[in-house]
Amino acid sequence: DAGITQSPRHKVTETGTPVTLRCHQTENHRYMYWYRQDPGHGLRLIHYSYGVKDTDKGEVSDGYSVSRSKTEDFLLTLESATSSQTSVYFCAIRSDRERDTEAFFGQGTRLTVV
Amino acid sequence: GDSVTQMEGPVTLSEEAFLTINCTYTATGYPSLFWYVQYPGEGLQLLLKATKADDKGSNKGFEATYRKETTSFHLEKGSVQVSDSAVYFCALPNQAGTALIFGKGTTLSVSS
Repeated sequence: DAGITQSPRHKVTETGTPVTLRCHQTENHRYMYWYRQDPGHGLRLIHYSYGVKDTDKGEVSDGYSVSRSKTEDFLLTLESATSSQTSVYFCAIRSDRERDTEAFFGQGTRLTVV
Repeated sequence: GDSVTQMEGPVTLSEEAFLTINCTYTATGYPSLFWYVQYPGEGLQLLLKATKADDKGSNKGFEATYRKETTSFHLEKGSVQVSDSAVYFCALPNQAGTALIFGKGTTLSVSS
């Protein structure tokens, strides 16, 4: 199994509070991703990183920010959580951007905003 | 832009039945194509992939053939098992290669 650890695995938070999810990898892969999974929508990309301090937006980035200060850690922050951000969040990693390169996924974080 | 369309689920089958999950794509050029599987309570894991047209990817009895004429990558298995119950995602890289684009997923439920 690829060395990807997400924390926490489960979280319940109140509307309006900030929340940070952490993804830690031991593979030294260049690319890291945050996706959210929702019924009827599949997986949607929130943000990704292509190196330390290098990040870019995905298709559903509003309300989220990310940071990558070390190769192994990629943080996702919900500045002020809303009920629409209740979801399962997955971190993924890829070694490079070659189009045949697969992604490896973490176990997911189930976030509930009440 | 690049996209993936999967058949809507859920798909419910009896053990040993034949499985087909349809996937079609829109893409620039001929990207690699992937099938991922998500077992209950877990993250996604790669099931198989094909890197060029007419390639067949296979793993665990599952197969998919890269058809550029029909822009399809349908997943098949000749005899499903209860343990195959999962959500299956078709995926391809975006044009820049910077991320994978996923279909909405197809839930498969196999009963004994």
